[in-house]
Amino acid sequence: EPEVTQTPSHQVTQMGQEVILRCVPISNHLYFYWYRQILGQKVEFLVSFYNNEISEKSEIFDDQFSVERPDGSNFTLKIRSTKLEDSAMYFCASSESSGSSYEQYFGPGTRLTVT
Amino acid sequence: AQSVAQPEDQVNVAEGNPLTVKCTYSVSGNPYLFWYVQYPNRGLQFLLKYITGDNLVKGSYGFEAEFNKSQTSFHLKKPSALVSDSALYFCAVRDIYSGAGSYQLTFGKGTKLSVIP
Repeated sequence: EPEVTQTPSHQVTQMGQEVILRCVPISNHLYFYWYRQILGQKVEFLVSFYNNEISEKSEIFDDQFSVERPDGSNFTLKIRSTKLEDSAMYFCASSESSGSSYEQYFGPGTRLTVT
Repeated sequence: AQSVAQPEDQVNVAEGNPLTVKCTYSVSGNPYLFWYVQYPNRGLQFLLKYITGDNLVKGSYGFEAEFNKSQTSFHLKKPSALVSDSALYFCAVRDIYSGAGSYQLTFGKGTKLSVIP
């Protein structure tokens, strides 16, 4: 069964450093998403991406964040200058484009620790 | 704005007994509703969804959920719980009138299900 994959599984970085989280969505999916889950809290939407542009973003997704689909398979989330409060589990997800198939399939997540 | 409430932080049930994990939602239009399960150190795994049609939807691993529009609820159920069902369960909603190109899911805070042998 196709799966969303994410690398790395765990990233430790120092405050102020740039990090790039990588995702490979399911191959025939056209919509891509990033969510995050701070320890013990809700899963929160960050951004959705379709047709090589951001279709929606939340208040969390400020100028420090960016997304990119650099090739036909990868989807990345970049945090330019990490803060302590960026420590969280980051989940990538993808979904099909067809009418009723709105379920999003999630990757295993990248745990980001900012020290 | 859309929101989801899962009123129970934890649900304990004996193996073999029926289980219910509660979820209520708030949207301005009609909802698309989802249940996801998260096992330790794993991502979110899709269980089932309600889009339209029959109010009782069946999903993976013997789970089902009942959509109740008047009570704005979408409770997750299983007739006979297994120890392996122990995990964190998330309810999520998308408002179909939230705008073109808007596919974001809003999640509840999660309910930890513990099935006791």
